[in-house]
Amino acid sequence: QSALTQPRSVSGSPGQSVTISCTGTSSDVGNYNYVSWYQQHPGKAPKLLIYDVIKRPSGVPDRFSGSKSGNTASLTVSGLQAEDEADYYCTSYAGDNKWVFGGGTKLTVL
Amino acid sequence: QVTLKESGPVVVKPTETLTLTCTVSGFSFNNAKMGVSWIRQPPGRALEWLAHIFSHDEKSYSTSLKSRLTISKDTSKSHVVLTMSNMDPVDTATYYCARIWIPATGYSFEYWGQGALVTVSS
Repeated sequence: QSALTQPRSVSGSPGQSVTISCTGTSSDVGNYNYVSWYQQHPGKAPKLLIYDVIKRPSGVPDRFSGSKSGNTASLTVSGLQAEDEADYYCTSYAGDNKWVFGGGTKLTVL
Repeated sequence: QVTLKESGPVVVKPTETLTLTCTVSGFSFNNAKMGVSWIRQPPGRALEWLAHIFSHDEKSYSTSLKSRLTISKDTSKSHVVLTMSNMDPVDTATYYCARIWIPATGYSFEYWGQGALVTVSS
């Protein structure tokens, strides 16, 4: 289980859109539609944003959307707001009841 | 209201065994396809999945840490326990427990505890 690859950082201005990529392998991201995304503010526990690649739990704004192509999943944050500044993590189910996380991406709202 | 809360020692010495308890409430651990994972995060670093246990007692472990980890549950006490042997300073991290319920939110961690910071130091 190698960690999924995410960019270390992304940034955007309020109102803009940013996309965070998450690259795995044919054993995890490419093999299962079980990619999820989490937002983590400093000192807080992660919060689920997206599950099953594209689904949003109730209460998560539709500004957050997910997609996947091959071994790479993506999270898009539209209409950036100041409170979106946080760390974002992807994770994928990897079979045999195991999971793998990405290295995390720091989103800065300029 | 679903809640999870981690508890355990704040400091452990190198070579000691860490025992952490996750106390859950607001749901029945007897529900099918429900489970709890342990996940850790060293200071300033990324999340790392450690171990998982399903309601039917099926267990799984991180390949790299399998030899050091044991996960178990006590449904009567609403506890999920993780032990990690031979602790080292690199194991210093915030340890989280998180719930999965496949029929609701697939193979994702919908609910998390607040985390417990464990420091390994002599």
